[in-house]
Amino acid sequence: GAVVSQHPSWVICKSGTSVKIECRSLDFQATTMFWYRQFPKQSLMLMATSNEGSKATYEQGVEKDKFLINHASLTLSTLTVTSAHPEDSSFYICSASFPGDYNEQFFGPGTRLTVL
Amino acid sequence: SQQGEEDPQALSIQEGENATMNCSYKTSINNLQWYRQNSGRGLVHLILIRSNEREKHSGRLRVTLDTSKKSSSLLITASRAADTASYFCATARNQAGTALIFGKGTTLSVSS
Repeated sequence: GAVVSQHPSWVICKSGTSVKIECRSLDFQATTMFWYRQFPKQSLMLMATSNEGSKATYEQGVEKDKFLINHASLTLSTLTVTSAHPEDSSFYICSASFPGDYNEQFFGPGTRLTVL
Repeated sequence: SQQGEEDPQALSIQEGENATMNCSYKTSINNLQWYRQNSGRGLVHLILIRSNEREKHSGRLRVTLDTSKKSSSLLITASRAADTASYFCATARNQAGTALIFGKGTTLSVSS
């Protein structure tokens, strides 16, 4: 099956700093990638849809200036949490789908962000 | 935004028993998928059922889909302690490039 990686797997940072999380599709090209956030004991909440070469589409309530998404190539999307605060501490998961195939998505292993 | 609800929210059973989880959703879908997530870990894809299918099997898993009721169920037979995890249903709409929308999940605990 298709493999999606995320880096880093976990990160601890101080309040006010920015953190970049990478999502890569290792063996396929993904025109669309998705970013989810999961708080403890809760479900995954879609944050944004990232299309290669265009601006990301953010879900209602997600600040686009705080969560910067860049999808510069068909195999890489990045999520930058700017000026991080403790309430941004969460599990961030990306997924990628095959071009033209919206039936299956492949999920990365997630990134645990802790903001002190 | 979340598509639907799972019930129960939590389920505790003994090894060897069957576990049934239900999922309801709100909009028309192309397919419905079930995922497992161990505590603090990533998602594991279990099974995908398309909107024109009514039942699907994979090993000890049986999934049903009732599009008229906008509901699905996941049955795990002969449960094992290793099945302890959170289970989520996720729906995909009839549109290319749209994200999966997840339900709230069921936390399953299987004791030996």
